[in-house]
Amino acid sequence: KAGVTQTPRYLIKTRGQQVTLSCSPISGHRSVSWYQQTPGQGLQFLFEYFSETQRNKGNFPGRFSGRQFSNSRSEMNVSTLELGDSALYLCASSWVAGENTGELFFGEGSRLTVL
Amino acid sequence: DQQVKQNSPSLSVQEGRISILNCDYTNSMFDYFLWYKKYPAEGPTFLISISSIKDKNEDGRFTVFLNKSAKHLSLHIVPSQPGDSAVYFCAANRHNQGGKLIFGQGTELSVKP
Repeated sequence: KAGVTQTPRYLIKTRGQQVTLSCSPISGHRSVSWYQQTPGQGLQFLFEYFSETQRNKGNFPGRFSGRQFSNSRSEMNVSTLELGDSALYLCASSWVAGENTGELFFGEGSRLTVL
Repeated sequence: DQQVKQNSPSLSVQEGRISILNCDYTNSMFDYFLWYKKYPAEGPTFLISISSIKDKNEDGRFTVFLNKSAKHLSLHIVPSQPGDSAVYFCAANRHNQGGKLIFGQGTELSVKP
């Protein structure tokens, strides 16, 4: 069974640009969550999608957005990139949302560098 | 507001000995507590969890203890092996929050042969 797949794995952008990251969950998983990992802040929750609807949202500015498609694939977008957006962006999937015990399956992440 | 804290950024243990990783939390509404393990260049992988209604959960060499009165949990690894060397994250979750986990900062465990 294929795991969570994230693309691209690495990318470099400049300040002011925008970026779109993609995540394909494990087959059958309907919930997709996104996390940002930085050395200073650790792993921080961005948002969660279930059945194409955003169910939970973390404390990030509106420049961070996401969506989920009918096949459960998800994308996140960061507009007007800032240097502080440099991070590892992790996607995680799980069977269902709402009554989840928290066991998530993570992808390998997309490493974003903003210059 | 750091709701989940891992105060030790690193821990070094001899192979075969016990590794004890600690985690403190502030929100008494958490329903589940989890430990994730992360190797460099990989995503975190789920290790073990415990419900807030229990005080111990064991899975092979891994045992998690929960002390609700102290808002403290710990992960015991016995015996420790060099392959256990990784960053360990403590996380907490509320049952109606789905994939929203609150993570600690992580503890880097090094198991020396």
